[in-house]
Parts: sequence; C-alpha cells; structure tokens
Amino acid sequence: DAGVIQSPRHEVTEMGQEVTLRCKPISGHDYLFWYRQTMMRGLELLIYFNNNVPIDDSGMPEDRFSAKMPNASFSTLKIQPSEPRDSAVYFCASRPQGEKNIQYFGAGTRLSVL
Amino acid sequence: EDKVVQSPLSLVVHEGDTVTLNCSYEVTNFRSLLWYKQEKKAPTFLFMLTSSGIEKKSGRLSSILDKKELFSILNITATQTGDSAVYLCAVPDNYGQNFVFGPGTRLSVLP
Repeated sequence: DAGVIQSPRHEVTEMGQEVTLRCKPISGHDYLFWYRQTMMRGLELLIYFNNNVPIDDSGMPEDRFSAKMPNASFSTLKIQPSEPRDSAVYFCASRPQGEKNIQYFGAGTRLSVL
Repeated sequence: EDKVVQSPLSLVVHEGDTVTLNCSYEVTNFRSLLWYKQEKKAPTFLFMLTSSGIEKKSGRLSSILDKKELFSILNITATQTGDSAVYLCAVPDNYGQNFVFGPGTRLSVLP
C-alpha cells in the first residue's frame, strides 16, 4: 500500500484565496484525521471521520475551515478565505477500526498564505 | 482536559551522547502512551507503552512508562546525526478515538 497520500505537497497562496487540501487514506482504514502543525501550537487535531461521517470537529478553528469525506477513499480540507495565520503543515492520518493505538500519517501539505 | 507535556522542548547534543526525553500526561482514562519520531515529514511510530516498568527497546532507543507517576521517558544512547528530529509523545484521548499530542522535543545531534 502506498500509505496515506496527501496533495499538494506545498501550496503558496495569497490571503483571501480558497485553498483545498486533499487526502487519500490507506485502503480499508475506517478513521481519517486532519491535523495542523505549527511551531507555536504543535500538532493539533482539527477534525476526524469514522466511516466517512464527521465525529468531532471541535478543533476546526473557524467557519472558514470545512472538511468533507464524500467516500472512503477521499477527503478534503478547505479554507475559504485563507489568512496568513493559516500557514502551517496540514497532516492527514488514517487507521483501521480495530487498531486504536497507531495512526498512519501522510507526508503533509505545507501551506503558506501570503 | 487531557494533556501531554514534554521536556525539554529543545536539546542540542554531540554525537555519542546519551539523551533522555521526558513526557508527562494527564488523561481521564489511560490506555497507552506512544512515542513518534518526526523528521522533515510525517511522524513515524516508535513505541507503544501500556504497562509500567516494562522497557521497550529498539536498537539504541528505549522507553519506559510509569503509570503511577504518569510519565514516560525515551532514551537514546550513542546518538547519531540521524537521530536529529522532533520526538512526539501522545496518549489516546478519553474516548480512545484520537490522540492528544505533546509539543514535542526537538533534538539536534551535532557531528
């Protein structure tokens, strides 16, 4: 398996633009997580899904952030409009139903909002 | 609120030194504690600890858990420049569905 795949790897955009980050979890994994990592705040959970259903979105910072999982093999995290303080590395992770103790991370998307 | 604290936040050593990284936690319903190594990309899994006093070992890395005092340590002996990374400690949250991560310890090993 290729692991969790995220795209793009890097995104540079201007303030006010819409940004869409994409994630393909490992096939067969029931849980998908979106994290944001910054130097100041470390690794923060934004939202996670179980069987394509959002379970906990309490980490989503504001209404500008939204996430969807239309099917078991694809999820998006959208920021609209983007702001410079959204600059961070965004990670997607997945795990299977019965394996609570390990999450498999994608390589991350480095977002820079100018 | 579940919480993970790590210390030190940053550490610089020379090759060959031994380092000890600390992780303390507060969680309503403890299940396990995990250590990850993060280099330039995504975190990679190192250890999972569930029982007190049982050392997990992988090469020059070892880790142990103290459930009474609510902490864990990660030891790296004979450090190499390739050990330079951020080491993250995490515990599953109260519902056991997600992890609470500590801020990480940034280790720099100089040649």
